[in-house]
Amino acid sequence: DVKVTQSSRYLVKRTGEKVFLECVQDMDHENMFWYRQDPGLGLRLIYFSYDVKMKEKGDIPEGYSVSREKKERFSLILESASTNQTSMYLCASGLDWLGNQPQHFGDGTRLSIL
Amino acid sequence: AQTVTQSQPEMSVQEAETVTLSCTYDTSENNYYLFWYKQPPSRQMILVIRQEAYKQQNATENRFSVNFQKAAKSFSLKISDSQLGDTAMYFCAFTSNNNAGNMLTFGGGTRLMVKP
Repeated sequence: DVKVTQSSRYLVKRTGEKVFLECVQDMDHENMFWYRQDPGLGLRLIYFSYDVKMKEKGDIPEGYSVSREKKERFSLILESASTNQTSMYLCASGLDWLGNQPQHFGDGTRLSIL
Repeated sequence: AQTVTQSQPEMSVQEAETVTLSCTYDTSENNYYLFWYKQPPSRQMILVIRQEAYKQQNATENRFSVNFQKAAKSFSLKISDSQLGDTAMYFCAFTSNNNAGNMLTFGGGTRLMVKP
C-alpha cells in the first residue's frame, strides 16, 4: 500500500514564524501535492510538484512556498505565518500519466497560528 | 477552469438505509475523471469510487455506486445498506488529462452522519 507520511498531526506556531510542513511518500510517485482544507471550501490546491526541483502554483499559493529536493519528499513552507493560515493541511502523491489513478493522502496536519 | 459543487453540506441517514450524495461539475472537456473520496473523523482520506467520463456504465464498488449523467454534468454517490463506519466527510473531485499533474478540483464536501 502507498504510504504518505506527514511529519506532524498537530502544530501550534506564532504569527511571523517560519513554518515547515514535511511530507514523504514511499511509492516513487512523480506527483506530489499540498492542499489546504477549510470547512465548506473543500480542499484547495496550494502547490504541486511533478518532478524533483519542479513546482507549479495551485489555486492559493500566496504566502506559501515549497521545496522538492528528493522525489519522495515535498515540503510546504509558510515564510511568515499569519492567523489566516490556521487550517488543516493535506499532502498527497500520485502517478503522473494516468488521470484515472487516485491520489493518496497523508493523515493531515492541523496547524494553528496564534 | 473546472468547478465542482456539492449542494448538501450535511446529511444523515439511519443505519441500513440508502442515501444519495449529490455532486455537479462544470467543464468544457469531453474526457475526464470523477472521484468520490471519504474522510472519516480524524482519519486519512481514501478513495471510494471513480468514474471515467468515456464509460457509459456507472461504476460500482460493493455498497457504493454512482449515477453519472454526463449531459447534466452530475455525479451522485449512492450508499446502500449504510453502516456506522460510513460516517465521514465525502468529497467529489474532478480531473482530466489536460490538468497539469492530474491535479484535482474538489467540491466543498458533504458531512454524512449514519445514525444507529
